[in-house]
Amino acid sequence: DQQVKQNSPSLSVQEGRISILNCDYTNSMFDYFLWYKKYPAEGPTFLISISSIKDKNEDGRFTVFLNKSAKHLSLHIVPSQPGDSAVYFCAASGNTNAGKSTFGDGTTLTVKP
Amino acid sequence: DSGVTQTPKHLITATGQRVTLRCSPRSGDLSVYWYQQSLDQGLQFLIQYYNGEERAKGNILERFSAQQFPDLHSELNLSSLELGDSALYFCASTGLSHYGYTFGSGTRLTVV
Repeated sequence: DQQVKQNSPSLSVQEGRISILNCDYTNSMFDYFLWYKKYPAEGPTFLISISSIKDKNEDGRFTVFLNKSAKHLSLHIVPSQPGDSAVYFCAASGNTNAGKSTFGDGTTLTVKP
Repeated sequence: DSGVTQTPKHLITATGQRVTLRCSPRSGDLSVYWYQQSLDQGLQFLIQYYNGEERAKGNILERFSAQQFPDLHSELNLSSLELGDSALYFCASTGLSHYGYTFGSGTRLTVV
Protein backbone atom coordinates (compact mmCIF):
# COMPACT_ATOMS: atom_id res chain seq x y z
CA ASP A 1 0.00 0.00 0.00
CA GLN A 2 1.84 3.06 -1.27
CA GLN A 3 0.68 6.02 0.77
CA VAL A 4 2.58 8.64 -1.23
CA LYS A 5 2.48 8.43 -5.00
CA GLN A 6 4.27 10.33 -7.71
CA ASN A 7 2.57 9.09 -10.84
CA SER A 8 4.93 10.68 -13.34
CA PRO A 9 8.32 8.95 -13.36
CA SER A 10 9.77 11.67 -15.57
CA LEU A 11 9.14 15.20 -16.82
CA SER A 12 10.95 17.22 -19.47
CA VAL A 13 10.59 20.99 -19.82
CA GLN A 14 12.32 23.78 -21.67
CA GLU A 15 14.55 26.19 -19.82
CA GLY A 16 12.61 29.23 -18.64
CA ARG A 17 9.26 27.47 -18.62
CA ILE A 18 7.32 26.20 -15.61
CA SER A 19 7.90 22.74 -14.18
CA ILE A 20 5.00 21.19 -12.28
CA LEU A 21 5.62 18.04 -10.27
CA ASN A 22 2.68 16.26 -8.71
CA CYS A 23 2.17 14.08 -5.68
CA ASP A 24 -0.86 12.30 -4.22
CA TYR A 25 -1.27 10.81 -0.76
CA THR A 26 -3.82 8.55 0.83
CA ASN A 27 -3.25 8.86 4.57
CA SER A 28 -5.37 11.66 6.04
CA MET A 29 -3.16 11.66 9.16
CA PHE A 30 -0.31 13.25 7.23
CA ASP A 31 0.00 16.89 8.26
CA TYR A 32 3.40 17.94 6.94
CA PHE A 33 4.65 17.62 3.39
CA LEU A 34 8.11 18.05 1.97
CA TRP A 35 9.95 18.06 -1.32
CA TYR A 36 13.51 16.88 -1.74
CA LYS A 37 15.85 17.13 -4.70
CA LYS A 38 18.42 14.47 -5.47
CA TYR A 39 21.40 14.63 -7.81
CA PRO A 40 23.22 11.43 -8.87
CA ALA A 41 25.70 10.07 -6.32
CA GLU A 42 24.38 12.40 -3.62
CA GLY A 43 21.81 12.12 -0.86
CA PRO A 44 18.48 13.94 -1.19
CA THR A 45 18.48 17.57 -0.09
CA PHE A 46 15.51 19.29 1.49
CA LEU A 47 13.90 21.80 -0.83
CA ILE A 48 10.63 23.14 0.55
CA SER A 49 7.84 22.07 2.88
CA ILE A 50 4.26 22.90 3.74
CA SER A 51 2.11 22.36 6.79
CA SER A 52 -1.44 21.10 6.40
CA ILE A 53 -2.76 24.37 7.83
CA LYS A 54 -1.54 26.18 4.72
CA ASP A 55 -2.37 25.75 1.05
CA LYS A 56 0.68 27.45 -0.41
CA ASN A 57 4.31 28.03 0.48
CA GLU A 58 6.77 29.93 -1.64
CA ASP A 59 10.56 30.09 -1.59
CA GLY A 60 12.15 31.90 -4.48
CA ARG A 61 11.49 30.01 -7.70
CA PHE A 62 9.84 27.13 -5.82
CA THR A 63 6.20 27.03 -4.71
CA VAL A 64 4.37 24.13 -3.15
CA PHE A 65 0.59 23.95 -3.31
CA LEU A 66 -1.51 21.71 -1.08
CA ASN A 67 -5.07 20.61 -1.78
CA LYS A 68 -6.15 18.72 1.31
CA SER A 69 -9.58 17.76 0.04
CA ALA A 70 -8.00 16.11 -3.00
CA LYS A 71 -5.02 14.81 -1.00
CA HIS A 72 -2.78 16.31 -3.63
CA LEU A 73 0.25 18.53 -3.63
CA SER A 74 2.35 20.00 -6.36
CA LEU A 75 5.72 21.67 -6.72
CA HIS A 76 6.04 24.53 -9.19
CA ILE A 77 9.44 25.68 -10.40
CA VAL A 78 9.43 28.99 -12.26
CA PRO A 79 11.49 29.65 -14.27
CA SER A 80 13.07 26.25 -14.72
CA GLN A 81 16.84 26.13 -15.11
CA PRO A 82 19.11 23.34 -16.41
CA GLY A 83 20.57 23.04 -12.89
CA ASP A 84 17.14 21.99 -11.67
CA SER A 85 17.52 18.70 -13.53
CA ALA A 86 17.37 16.09 -10.77
CA VAL A 87 15.09 13.54 -9.15
CA TYR A 88 12.40 15.15 -6.99
CA PHE A 89 10.90 13.23 -4.10
CA CYS A 90 7.66 14.09 -2.39
CA ALA A 91 7.43 13.09 1.29
CA ALA A 92 4.77 13.23 3.98
CA SER A 93 4.84 12.92 7.74
CA GLY A 94 2.44 13.15 10.68
CA ASN A 95 2.53 13.69 14.40
CA THR A 96 1.53 10.09 15.01
CA ASN A 97 4.51 8.46 13.36
CA ALA A 98 7.41 9.85 15.38
CA GLY A 99 8.43 12.28 12.67
CA LYS A 100 9.32 9.69 10.08
CA SER A 101 8.55 10.58 6.49
CA THR A 102 6.97 8.42 3.83
CA PHE A 103 8.47 9.04 0.39
CA GLY A 104 7.14 8.73 -3.12
CA ASP A 105 9.14 6.99 -5.85
CA GLY A 106 10.41 10.26 -7.31
CA THR A 107 10.06 12.16 -10.57
CA THR A 108 13.08 12.76 -12.78
CA LEU A 109 13.01 16.32 -14.07
CA THR A 110 15.03 17.23 -17.14
CA VAL A 111 15.30 20.90 -18.04
CA LYS A 112 16.52 21.37 -21.60
CA PRO A 113 18.59 24.44 -22.50
CA ASP B 1 29.04 18.46 2.83
CA SER B 2 25.61 18.04 4.44
CA GLY B 3 27.02 17.38 7.89
CA VAL B 4 25.77 13.79 7.92
CA THR B 5 28.61 11.34 7.34
CA GLN B 6 28.08 7.84 6.07
CA THR B 7 30.77 5.20 5.73
CA PRO B 8 31.69 3.33 3.68
CA LYS B 9 30.51 4.90 0.44
CA HIS B 10 30.66 1.61 -1.43
CA LEU B 11 30.57 -1.96 -0.22
CA ILE B 12 30.74 -5.16 -2.23
CA THR B 13 30.18 -8.40 -0.39
CA ALA B 14 29.06 -11.97 -0.98
CA THR B 15 25.72 -13.55 -0.18
CA GLY B 16 25.45 -14.84 3.36
CA GLN B 17 27.87 -12.27 4.74
CA ARG B 18 27.29 -9.56 7.36
CA VAL B 19 28.09 -5.87 7.01
CA THR B 20 27.87 -2.77 9.18
CA LEU B 21 26.99 0.65 7.83
CA ARG B 22 27.89 3.68 9.90
CA CYS B 23 26.28 7.09 10.19
CA SER B 24 27.32 10.20 12.09
CA PRO B 25 24.46 12.70 12.31
CA ARG B 26 24.74 16.44 11.86
CA SER B 27 26.07 18.13 14.98
CA GLY B 28 23.27 18.67 17.48
CA ASP B 29 20.74 16.39 15.76
CA LEU B 30 19.30 13.73 18.05
CA SER B 31 17.21 11.75 15.56
CA VAL B 32 18.69 9.35 13.06
CA TYR B 33 16.68 7.66 10.32
CA TRP B 34 17.71 4.83 8.01
CA TYR B 35 16.21 4.46 4.53
CA GLN B 36 16.76 1.92 1.76
CA GLN B 37 16.53 2.82 -1.92
CA SER B 38 16.46 -0.09 -4.34
CA LEU B 39 16.96 0.34 -8.10
CA ASP B 40 15.51 3.78 -8.86
CA GLN B 41 12.66 3.26 -6.44
CA GLY B 42 11.54 5.45 -3.60
CA LEU B 43 13.08 5.62 -0.19
CA GLN B 44 11.78 2.91 2.10
CA PHE B 45 11.88 3.72 5.80
CA LEU B 46 13.73 1.16 7.88
CA ILE B 47 14.14 2.49 11.41
CA GLN B 48 14.47 5.65 13.52
CA TYR B 49 16.44 6.33 16.67
CA TYR B 50 16.09 9.31 18.95
CA ASN B 51 18.81 10.03 21.49
CA GLY B 52 19.81 6.40 21.71
CA GLU B 53 16.37 4.83 21.77
CA GLU B 54 14.42 3.17 18.98
CA ARG B 55 11.52 5.44 18.08
CA ALA B 56 9.87 3.96 15.00
CA LYS B 57 10.26 0.90 12.88
CA GLY B 58 9.35 0.41 9.24
CA ASN B 59 9.52 -2.65 7.02
CA ILE B 60 12.90 -3.67 8.34
CA LEU B 61 13.83 -7.30 7.87
CA GLU B 62 14.65 -9.44 10.90
CA ARG B 63 18.13 -9.93 9.40
CA PHE B 64 18.69 -6.19 9.79
CA SER B 65 19.28 -4.40 13.06
CA ALA B 66 20.44 -0.97 14.14
CA GLN B 67 21.51 0.97 17.18
CA GLN B 68 22.41 4.49 18.18
CA PHE B 69 25.33 5.00 20.51
CA PRO B 70 25.80 7.57 23.32
CA ASP B 71 27.80 9.81 20.96
CA LEU B 72 24.70 9.69 18.69
CA HIS B 73 26.33 7.91 15.79
CA SER B 74 24.31 5.00 14.46
CA GLU B 75 25.10 1.67 12.87
CA LEU B 76 22.93 -0.47 10.62
CA ASN B 77 23.82 -4.15 10.66
CA LEU B 78 22.79 -6.33 7.75
CA SER B 79 23.31 -10.08 8.07
CA SER B 80 22.77 -13.21 5.97
CA LEU B 81 22.89 -10.95 2.97
CA GLU B 82 20.91 -11.80 -0.15
CA LEU B 83 21.20 -10.49 -3.70
CA GLY B 84 18.00 -8.48 -3.16
CA ASP B 85 19.63 -6.49 -0.36
CA SER B 86 21.72 -4.67 -2.94
CA ALA B 87 20.62 -1.06 -2.64
CA LEU B 88 21.54 2.44 -1.57
CA TYR B 89 21.24 2.90 2.17
CA PHE B 90 20.73 6.43 3.37
CA CYS B 91 21.02 7.85 6.81
CA ALA B 92 19.34 11.13 7.72
CA SER B 93 19.18 13.24 10.83
CA THR B 94 16.93 15.94 12.23
CA GLY B 95 16.95 18.24 15.21
CA LEU B 96 14.11 19.17 17.50
CA SER B 97 12.31 21.22 14.85
CA HIS B 98 11.15 19.43 11.75
CA TYR B 99 12.66 21.35 8.87
CA GLY B 100 13.25 18.27 6.82
CA TYR B 101 15.91 15.66 6.97
CA THR B 102 19.57 16.19 6.34
CA PHE B 103 20.74 13.18 4.38
CA GLY B 104 24.13 11.64 4.08
CA SER B 105 25.45 10.70 0.66
CA GLY B 106 24.55 7.06 1.18
CA THR B 107 26.26 3.68 1.17
CA ARG B 108 25.92 1.67 -2.00
CA LEU B 109 25.79 -2.01 -1.07
CA THR B 110 26.30 -4.62 -3.75
CA VAL B 111 25.76 -8.25 -2.84
CA VAL B 112 27.27 -10.71 -5.30
